[in-house]
Amino acid sequence: KNQVEQSPQSLIILEGKNCTLQCNYTVSPFSNLRWYKQDTGRGPVSLTIMTFSENTKSNGRYTATLDADTKQSSLHITASQLSDSASYICVVITISNFGNEKLTFGTGTRLTIIP
Amino acid sequence: EAQVTQNPRYLITVTGKKLTVTCSQNMNHEYMSWYRQDPGLGLRQIYYSMNVEVTDKGDVPEGYKVSRKEKRNFPLILESPSPNQTSLYFCASRTRSSYNEQFFGPGTRLTVL
Repeated sequence: KNQVEQSPQSLIILEGKNCTLQCNYTVSPFSNLRWYKQDTGRGPVSLTIMTFSENTKSNGRYTATLDADTKQSSLHITASQLSDSASYICVVITISNFGNEKLTFGTGTRLTIIP
Repeated sequence: EAQVTQNPRYLITVTGKKLTVTCSQNMNHEYMSWYRQDPGLGLRQIYYSMNVEVTDKGDVPEGYKVSRKEKRNFPLILESPSPNQTSLYFCASRTRSSYNEQFFGPGTRLTVL
């Protein structure tokens, strides 16, 4: 069964500290992987999109890594800010031979930054 | 401003009373989709549309209908809502390529009593 598992489920860190969120997937065939940030009560916002050939991609203080061999991705947040408090969702996209796209979402990591 | 809008944002209704949640985007995107988000289950795709008059089922289409008569609009229809359809709903759009960013609407919180 195609799955995307994220860990930890929740994380609390002090403002200014770094953290790393994990995403493991069993989805295949792999097309691309995305990380989203979702503030409470709002729609997800894209942070990074990574294809099979990319193993690192940065967006400001956010850096995503991808190991397609082990089917693992991570999102590293540097120098956290209070505004980073949100849920972070990992999504893996597959495209079938017929061109049909399927998105498999993780259940997210709830990150809380405390002053 | 480029955006995806949804209406209503909040809705409380009763079992069996037909309702429509509207979704509109102003970015000329070909691809639009609907998701529901439930605690512990993450986002699940209900329906998607690759272009006008082209729609297809996602993972959880039962109890829902959609239409795509115009490129900018993609309404979600619940013909006979039931309590298990109480959820947070998101509409999203992007260009044709799956490698491009998908933009989500602000969400519609639906409660079916």
